Amino acid sequence: GAVVSQHPSWVICKSGTSVKIECRSLDFQATTMFWYRQFPKQSLMLMATSNEGSKATYEQGVEKDKFLINHASLTLSTLTVTSAHPEDSSFYICSAIRGTEAFFGQGTRLTVV
Amino acid sequence: QKEVEQNSGPLSVPEGAIASLNCTYSDRGSQSFFWYRQYSGKSPELIMFIYSNGDKEDGRFTAQLNKASQYVSLLIRDSQPSDSATYLCAVNRYNFNKFYFGSGTKLNVKP
Repeated sequence: GAVVSQHPSWVICKSGTSVKIECRSLDFQATTMFWYRQFPKQSLMLMATSNEGSKATYEQGVEKDKFLINHASLTLSTLTVTSAHPEDSSFYICSAIRGTEAFFGQGTRLTVV
Repeated sequence: QKEVEQNSGPLSVPEGAIASLNCTYSDRGSQSFFWYRQYSGKSPELIMFIYSNGDKEDGRFTAQLNKASQYVSLLIRDSQPSDSATYLCAVNRYNFNKFYFGSGTKLNVKP
């Protein structure tokens, strides 16, 4: 099946710093990727839709200046959490669509201390 | 109203029993329906998808779709302790190409 690779798997950073998370589709081209956030014992919440070559589309309530998304190529989207704070600590997951199926990255556990 | 609703559980079944997981969705325009399994701290993994009304079987798993009732379910036969996880229902609207997830149902299969 399709493989989506996400890196890093976990990261600990200091409050106020920025963290970049990468999402790669390894065996197919993805014009659209999605970024989700999942807090403990809660479901996946769509944050934004990443579109190759154009601006990302953010869901209501998600700060676009805080969560910077860059979809520079058909196989790579990045999410940068800027000026991270402890409340940004969460599990971030990307997904890429091939046909009508969504394939997920391994997820990134972000802890802001 | 949430796009996709699931009972959070936990649903407890004994090993070897049938586990029945249910999901309702609000948008009649939804075209495709997916069940994902998520182990704690891990990313979701696809179990099955279904597009048409009726049943679709894959090994121990059967997905059932009733578009008139806006209802989709997942049956797990001969449940195993390794099936213990959270099961997420997701729906997709082709025109928006977005996936909407339910909150998930936690399943515990007791040995």
